[in-house]
Amino acid sequence: QVQLQESGPGLVKPSETLSLTCTVSGGSISNSYWSWIRQPPGKGLEWIGYIYHSGSTNKNPSLKSRVTISVDTSKNQFSLKLSSVTAADTAVYYCAKLVVVTAISSYFDYWGRGTLVTVSS
Amino acid sequence: SSELTQDPAVSVALGQTVRITCQGGSLRTYYASWYQQKPGQAPVVVIYGKNNRPSGIPDRFSGSSSGNTASLTITGAQAEDEADYYCNSRDSSGNHLGVFGGGTKLTVL
Repeated sequence: QVQLQESGPGLVKPSETLSLTCTVSGGSISNSYWSWIRQPPGKGLEWIGYIYHSGSTNKNPSLKSRVTISVDTSKNQFSLKLSSVTAADTAVYYCAKLVVVTAISSYFDYWGRGTLVTVSS
Repeated sequence: SSELTQDPAVSVALGQTVRITCQGGSLRTYYASWYQQKPGQAPVVVIYGKNNRPSGIPDRFSGSSSGNTASLTITGAQAEDEADYYCNSRDSSGNHLGVFGGGTKLTVL
């Protein structure tokens, strides 16, 4: 059973960089896609991006200029950095495993419990 | 704004059937996946692909697709099905970018 656990600061100051790590246990980070998704309080889910174990990434165009996603296969972890944060970036951040079934079908099968990051001075 | 459109809220009487829809141009090409989210919990996938249920998901959940609309149907809704439901698929750019619908709050009466 794959398990994911987000970790990182719960409070970040405006204009600073939000940094989160997702630790994968119960399975290898290799040969899979790994994603970040966020959810502002009381609102819907927003796809941030994903990374393949090889390091190739794809990101939400609305966040692309501020987002860095990286992977450390030796630690079975992947990470998110979001720069120049504002209050609008306050959200629960989830990491999730993306299964690409075919070219036209994919889904998130395992999710972390999520971590609330608040942007405030 | 989301490229996938869902009704904000739907209600169903206990034991009845309800359909939750998701509309978007990319759904003519890509399948949607559906997620159930209860308060304070992470989302859980209930349907993916043409009509696939992960292990542990009751068979009262089913999925279908026609044109630009994907649907999640719950046949014989139970009280525990009350939750937010989100569809997810690719965007219409063809660049394999992900997108979620705005979510549907399902109330079981």
